[in-house]
Amino acid sequence: KNEVEQSPQNLTAQEGEFITINCSYSVGISALHWLQQHPGGGIVSLFMLSSGKKKHGRLIATINIQEKHSSLHITASHPRDSAVYICAVINFGNEKLTFGTGTRLTIIP
Amino acid sequence: EAQVTQNPRYLITVTGKKLTVTCSQNMNHEYMSWYRQDPGLGLRQIYYSMNVEVTDKGDVPEGYKVSRKEKRNFPLILESPSPNQTSLYFCASSLKGIWNEQFFGPGTRLTVL
Repeated sequence: KNEVEQSPQNLTAQEGEFITINCSYSVGISALHWLQQHPGGGIVSLFMLSSGKKKHGRLIATINIQEKHSSLHITASHPRDSAVYICAVINFGNEKLTFGTGTRLTIIP
Repeated sequence: EAQVTQNPRYLITVTGKKLTVTCSQNMNHEYMSWYRQDPGLGLRQIYYSMNVEVTDKGDVPEGYKVSRKEKRNFPLILESPSPNQTSLYFCASSLKGIWNEQFFGPGTRLTVL
């Protein structure tokens, strides 16, 4: 079993829909990153959070450290949001990054 | 423009022929790291560097070498590439470490025949 599990693996939705991507982890962590990988391959950092919620534009990330779960939400989704979304946890103690395998999101116009 | 650059972007080579993938950042970042990305496995860390002359192994260091002689550069060296090193490689940097925003290079797609 992977230390970091993302669900769903693939998600297709209509433009305008509210999107939720989940990240669960089995190890103790200090914080978590959400990354976006564009269809061309480039990776961009979206959020880093260790508690509560962060918002940037139409993107919202939440984390519950005790429940070992984080979610990434996209409101009013748009085709340009189509990408792979990756969560990465900072392992408590060894300060290493462990990555999930990503959620491939496709938004249909 | 603040960026991380990698060269080459694409490379096809043969088993055993030494190669170097360069990585450079212009943001005066202390932390740099190399990852490989394989289908179904996600990103895995190869090596990282907390600062000049300070490097350490990640999760999958076998078959790779790195050096950090200057703050801006962090080359990845494959002394004797093998087909199992065929992968998509990313260099990343951040101000101080994994607690800061990570900036990724565009990736290098390597095929070893």
